[in-house]
Amino acid sequence: GQQLNQSPQSMFIQEGEDVSMNCTSSSIFNTWLWYKQDPGEGPVLLIALYKAGELTSNGRLTAQFGITRKDSFLNISASIPSDVGIYFCAGLNYGGSQGNLIFGKGTKLSVKP
Amino acid sequence: NAGVTQTPKFRVLKTGQSMTLLCAQDMNHEYMYWYRQDPGMGLRLIHYSVGEGTTAKGEVPDGYNVSRLKKQNFLLGLESAAPSQTSVYFCASSHKGAVNGYTFGSGTRLTVV
Repeated sequence: GQQLNQSPQSMFIQEGEDVSMNCTSSSIFNTWLWYKQDPGEGPVLLIALYKAGELTSNGRLTAQFGITRKDSFLNISASIPSDVGIYFCAGLNYGGSQGNLIFGKGTKLSVKP
Repeated sequence: NAGVTQTPKFRVLKTGQSMTLLCAQDMNHEYMYWYRQDPGMGLRLIHYSVGEGTTAKGEVPDGYNVSRLKKQNFLLGLESAAPSQTSVYFCASSHKGAVNGYTFGSGTRLTVV
């Protein structure tokens, strides 16, 4: 089946640093989504991307839909302690009757104050 | 503004016992999903439903059953719990096709001893 390779698996950074993570696939997706999971909670949608080349921001977060439609990137600028959590990418191909997202395995972010 | 509600939040079972995890959504979503999350494995789809009265198997369906008798509820059953089913379980829902992604519940932490 389809798989997403998300990297890095984990990151330990200092408060104030910028963060970059990415997701790649061997398949083309029509939609890329980025979620954040706080400790003890369910994932929450951060950013949705619907068009190849699209660049979308949500506060300090910026995500891009790769031109090839096989990858996506998430950047966090000037990290703060509350950025701690697991970030998941997800890809979707719609057009059929199903709406199953394919999830990456996540990037665990730790921020040192 | 409840979104997706999961009950219970925590449960400890003995091997061989049965239980049902409840998921309710108030967003009139057509699709509902059950995932399990284990360290290093990301989110794995157990079963899903694209409408009332219909269910389908996901990536890891063995040992689980589901029912969707009402549009707003999706039940996950463990008939004979095994230690390998120790995990955090997440329910999610979406509109048809999931173009806007999923809304997740806050999870059920299940331990089978």
